[in-house]
Amino acid sequence: DGGITQSPKYLFRKEGQNVTLSCEQNLNHDAMYWYRQDPGQGLRLIYYSQIVNDFQKGDIAEGYSVSREKKESFPLTVTSAQKNPTAFYLCASSMASAGGQETQYFGPGTRLLVL
Amino acid sequence: EDKVVQSPLSLVVHEGDTVTLNCSYEVTNFRSLLWYKQEKKAPTFLFMLTSSGIEKKSGRLSSILDKKELFSILNITATQTGDSAIYLCAVVGGSNYKLTFGKGTLLTVNP
Repeated sequence: DGGITQSPKYLFRKEGQNVTLSCEQNLNHDAMYWYRQDPGQGLRLIYYSQIVNDFQKGDIAEGYSVSREKKESFPLTVTSAQKNPTAFYLCASSMASAGGQETQYFGPGTRLLVL
Repeated sequence: EDKVVQSPLSLVVHEGDTVTLNCSYEVTNFRSLLWYKQEKKAPTFLFMLTSSGIEKKSGRLSSILDKKELFSILNITATQTGDSAIYLCAVVGGSNYKLTFGKGTLLTVNP
């Protein structure tokens, strides 16, 4: 089945710890995105990548890092510098980022909680 | 700064009612407007609108865009309890064609 998978479903982070959230897609999409969703805030863009080996900061990139070594994969690391990481994290992909192909499709999300 | 504002933020209706959800935007270099439905987890795509005045329809849901007045509406007729969800509006634009989301409208349909 084609789609976007995220793992784990739930993740617990201790103070000072870096954690990595996985996002994989087999839709052959070029563009991938990471969002954070907080209650009453809507979705906010953390990072996005339009092609392999390239990515750009979104609106709230501080305390996060990403890599895009493969087209299918766009992992997000929440570093210890992110002081308020508790949120629902959504990964998305689109065929492209423009030209009428910018509809984004979402994975099931990872809920990150701080211990 | 790009901005998308949805109203109302929450809405409670009875089954069978018709609802209209609003989305207004201020975005440079507008490309398209998208509507998503989010139940418990991942938002699922409903519509993409690029042209003014052309209604998109899918069953009981329909949506239209007004690029002059910078808004879109999402209509749901004969609502059902399964329509209960957060409805998200997002606009593609800006210098990098990124998506800017509104805060969503929480729709609750009571039996």
